[in-house]
Amino acid sequence: QVQLHESGPGLVKPSETLSLTCALSGGSLNSYYWSWIRQPPGRALEWVGYIYYTGSTHYNPSLKSRVTMSVATSKNQFSLKLTSVTAADTAVYFCARGPFCGAHCYRYFDLWGRGTLVTVSS
Amino acid sequence: DIQMTQSPSSVSASVGDRVSITCRASQGISTWLAWYQHKPGKAPTLLMYAASSLQSGVPSRFSGSGSGTDFTLTISSLQPEDFATYYCQQGDSFPVTFGPGTKVEIK
Repeated sequence: QVQLHESGPGLVKPSETLSLTCALSGGSLNSYYWSWIRQPPGRALEWVGYIYYTGSTHYNPSLKSRVTMSVATSKNQFSLKLTSVTAADTAVYFCARGPFCGAHCYRYFDLWGRGTLVTVSS
Repeated sequence: DIQMTQSPSSVSASVGDRVSITCRASQGISTWLAWYQHKPGKAPTLLMYAASSLQSGVPSRFSGSGSGTDFTLTISSLQPEDFATYYCQQGDSFPVTFGPGTKVEIK
């Protein structure tokens, strides 16, 4: 069964860098796009960005200046770094498979992890 | 960015009831809309894409309709495992955006 699992520190201090990893089991990162999506408490889901297995990326413009995504296909993992965090970055962070882009781009997510809560607090 | 709204924000229903959830986009998105189900502590699951296409493995009691700005997710006969929060998401353009969610609760 193909599964995604997020991991990383649950508590990050303001102004520091949030770092998360998503591990894929039962499948391969190859040929797919992989996204990070977050949900602040009581608020809507927010797409953070995606990374292709080759390493190309596309970020949400609202976070672009602070986000870096990377991929390690040999480890079947991809990662998220978010710099200069504030309390507004407190959220459950999900990793997901998608979008599906070829001749057309189908901007949906068909496999998600359970999410990991990251709290920004001193 | 395209803004997504949903109504109602919550609905109380009984097993066997027909439940409909509405999603509205701030501008036309053709049929580039997906629906997700999310239960606490679980991974969200994709129910529908392209507004009315059922994702593989999803029960046929789920259906979707709409195009342009107005969309509906219908559960024809609510089952115990369907109590969850449902989100719509526009896939017309990046950044993709989600609705605030509709919680389906047990009556």
